[in-house]
Amino acid sequence: DSGVTQTPKHLITATGQRVTLRCSPRSGDLSVYWYQQSLDQGLQFLIQYYNGEERAKGNILERFSAQQFPDLHSELNLSSLELGDSALYFCASSATGSLNTEAFFGQGTRLTVV
Amino acid sequence: KNEVEQSPQNLTAQEGEFITINCSYSVGISALHWLQQHPGGGIVSLFMLSSGKKKHGRLIATINIQEKHSSLHITASHPRDSAVYICAVPNTGNQFYFGTGTSLTVIP
Repeated sequence: DSGVTQTPKHLITATGQRVTLRCSPRSGDLSVYWYQQSLDQGLQFLIQYYNGEERAKGNILERFSAQQFPDLHSELNLSSLELGDSALYFCASSATGSLNTEAFFGQGTRLTVV
Repeated sequence: KNEVEQSPQNLTAQEGEFITINCSYSVGISALHWLQQHPGGGIVSLFMLSSGKKKHGRLIATINIQEKHSSLHITASHPRDSAVYICAVPNTGNQFYFGTGTSLTVIP
């Protein structure tokens, strides 16, 4: 158990809908990272938050947004969903704002858009 | 060109064999991560290293910063080691460059 909790584990929704994925980092970790893993593109970095502030941004679509709350949990919001958004979404946490420290991954949320 | 290259892409081994997975990268880094992804999809962080060698059970990771190369070794491989192993390096933008992964199957 990495200590990172993601909910829900599975999500099936229709095109055009909006969903929210949730991540609770390991106790004491200040950074949360979101990744998307689709079959044809592998793991891709989406966005990082550190202590409530956006720290780094990757290939995140404008239809996607995220935030980190004062209790350090984070939510990834995906809207106007398309079939191509079907993927595994992972969050990871680390103690600092840098990836030069160990990162711990959640079990992922498998999103299926039909 | 990918910033992180892994080899081999696929590997099948007999139980008990010694296994090596290689990772070469082209960017300047101060740390490298090895991750394991099981068929169920979950990702586990195996190692984060910036120099030398680390060992955890039957897993050994080495890195040569000058040569921009890292290896992950599994001694006395077991079917439960079957997974995808991913090398990841952070860039200056605090993002990971991920290797494409090595899919390992260990046959009893």
